[in-house]
Amino acid sequence: GAVVSQHPSRVICKSGTSVKIECRSLDFQATTMFWYRQFPKQSLMLMATSNEGSKATYEQGVEKDKFLINHASLTLSTLTVTSAHPEDSSFYICSAPSGGSGNTIYFGEGSWLTVV
Amino acid sequence: GNSVTQMEGPVTLSEEAFLTINCTYTATGYPSLFWYVQYPGEGLQLLLKATKADDKGSNKGFEATYRKETTSFHLEKGSVQVSDSAVYFCALSTGNNQGGKLIFGQGTELSVKP
Repeated sequence: GAVVSQHPSRVICKSGTSVKIECRSLDFQATTMFWYRQFPKQSLMLMATSNEGSKATYEQGVEKDKFLINHASLTLSTLTVTSAHPEDSSFYICSAPSGGSGNTIYFGEGSWLTVV
Repeated sequence: GNSVTQMEGPVTLSEEAFLTINCTYTATGYPSLFWYVQYPGEGLQLLLKATKADDKGSNKGFEATYRKETTSFHLEKGSVQVSDSAVYFCALSTGNNQGGKLIFGQGTELSVKP
């Protein structure tokens, strides 16, 4: 079964509103999680690194005030898209390393956001 | 900077054909290399990985060899099936794996026809 779970899998919101996406590690604790965005038929681009108990680290060109990241516990990170616009419509996916000697990286199922 | 380049798709093959998807990388240090697969409407799944030069990763009939001299990690499968239709992403992480930060190639869509 899934070891990293995202919710919701699909969401439609009106332009100007905010939407929150959750990423949970189910079987392990994750002090770090990663958020990616994927536009149709394009690759995944890292948006930010979510750090438990501290501020997220954003990649160049990603607006931190628009994409709010909160890593409130060792098993949960949230991405909030604020004042969403149609150009924010995308597939958002998170990942978390499991740590340990193997350090497997698990991805969530992803969340499809459509802003209308 | 670090980057990954994949062959452009879409790639269309008949069932039981041989598959190669090229992947080359640019990186400082000694990256770990990965292939991920994304089936329609789903998230990413790790297909295989290699953590050092000359390592061969393999899974479900797919394999890829970490070639440091050519900075490549080409994905191969001897006989593809319709169920292999998906988008394949080559990726790398650098140094000590940076805790899971990945740099992806642009993805290659594979379509296998019966």
